[in-house]
Amino acid sequence: EPEVTQTPSHQVTQMGQEVILRCVPISNHLYFYWYRQILGQKVEFLVSFYNNEISEKSEIFDDQFSVERPDGSNFTLKIRSTKLEDSAMYFCASSEDRGFGELFFGEGSRLTVL
Amino acid sequence: DAKTTQPTSMDCAEGRAANLPCNHSTISGNEYVYWYRQIHSQGPQYIIHGLKNNETNEMASLIITEDRKSSTLILPHATLRDTAVYYCIVRVGISQGNLIFGKGTKLSVKP
Repeated sequence: EPEVTQTPSHQVTQMGQEVILRCVPISNHLYFYWYRQILGQKVEFLVSFYNNEISEKSEIFDDQFSVERPDGSNFTLKIRSTKLEDSAMYFCASSEDRGFGELFFGEGSRLTVL
Repeated sequence: DAKTTQPTSMDCAEGRAANLPCNHSTISGNEYVYWYRQIHSQGPQYIIHGLKNNETNEMASLIITEDRKSSTLILPHATLRDTAVYYCIVRVGISQGNLIFGKGTKLSVKP
């Protein structure tokens, strides 16, 4: 069964450092998303991406965040200057369409900012 | 905030049906009811969705009341692997995919 894959599974970084989280969505999917979950809290929407541009973003997705689809397979989330409060599990998801279809989530990348 | 209300936690005996309720009294006509679950800290997993008719797939059944103000997710024969947090989400069908997760119901399946 096709799946969304994410790397790294766990990254530890120092506050102020840049981090790039990578995702390989399901190959025929056109819509891509990032969500995050701070430990013990809700899963929160960050951003959706379609046709090489951001479709929608939440208030969390401020200027320190950016997304990119650098090639035909990868979808990345960059955090420019990490803060302690960025420590969370980051989930990538993809969907075949923006309508009724399900979102397929990856297993997540755990980011720990020290 | 999420537009649904779910019990914080539920228990179910292994092999029995698990019935997870969800209240969505402010649902509008073009909003679907979606169910996802999250096992431990894994990525959320889609279960089922519906508009007004009852739906069934290989994982579960979804029963939506006639007035659409509430629904029930049914796992017909719960196993220990079904222990997870279950999220009921209302979402416009044609949308950006911005799922708004609430706190969900923590289902514990016990032997």
